[in-house]
Amino acid sequence: AQKITQTQPGMFVQEKEAVTLDCTYDTSDPSYGLFWYKQPSSGEMIFLIYQGSYDQQNATEGRYSLNFQKARKSANLVISASQLGDSAMYFCAMREGNRAGNQFYFGTGTSLTVIP
Amino acid sequence: EAGVAQSPRYKIIEKRQSVAFWCNPISGHATLYWYQQILGQGPKLLIQFQNNGVVDDSQLPKDRFSAERLKGVDSTLKIQPAKLEDSAVYLCASRAGGQETQYFGPGTRLLVL
Repeated sequence: AQKITQTQPGMFVQEKEAVTLDCTYDTSDPSYGLFWYKQPSSGEMIFLIYQGSYDQQNATEGRYSLNFQKARKSANLVISASQLGDSAMYFCAMREGNRAGNQFYFGTGTSLTVIP
Repeated sequence: EAGVAQSPRYKIIEKRQSVAFWCNPISGHATLYWYQQILGQGPKLLIQFQNNGVVDDSQLPKDRFSAERLKGVDSTLKIQPAKLEDSAVYLCASRAGGQETQYFGPGTRLLVL
């Protein structure tokens, strides 16, 4: 089974609108962390937001928020007020376990295009 | 604060040749990671160092890939001999102790002909 599943290969959003990028995960470990990264065409992975498995509140960072639904094992990224510079690949990732040597898994990514 | 540095940025080699990539993490970051990102896929973790020790290399194809971090700072990843399927971007990332966030370098794009 895939550890991280991103079912939207490509998404389009109008500038200034909000968009939700889907992510589901699979783990039996009670301690894990969920991440979203942005990868522009330049190739560098840019950290956006983190959610720990024990965090009670959904994480927010500026225009980014993570809709964490633990029972459904989903960690969707919400980008509010989309900007042209948000056009990029977006990857959901999971850190499984809380010990040294824990594993990291990335999804296949969602390509977001912001339309003027 | 300087970010994660990687070199070279691009490399083209023929199959069966060897190649090495270099990474210098953010100063003070004890944990260093090497990832392989094949076109159209997400990054795949190859190896993880804590200071100069390997903590996980379960996904590293050890028959042809090797990595070291001798002084617990910068690191090299080597492929010998390269195969066509090794064509990918090799990303290095580092993380400070007690923090969750990994910071990535710009990557090295390898093309094996």
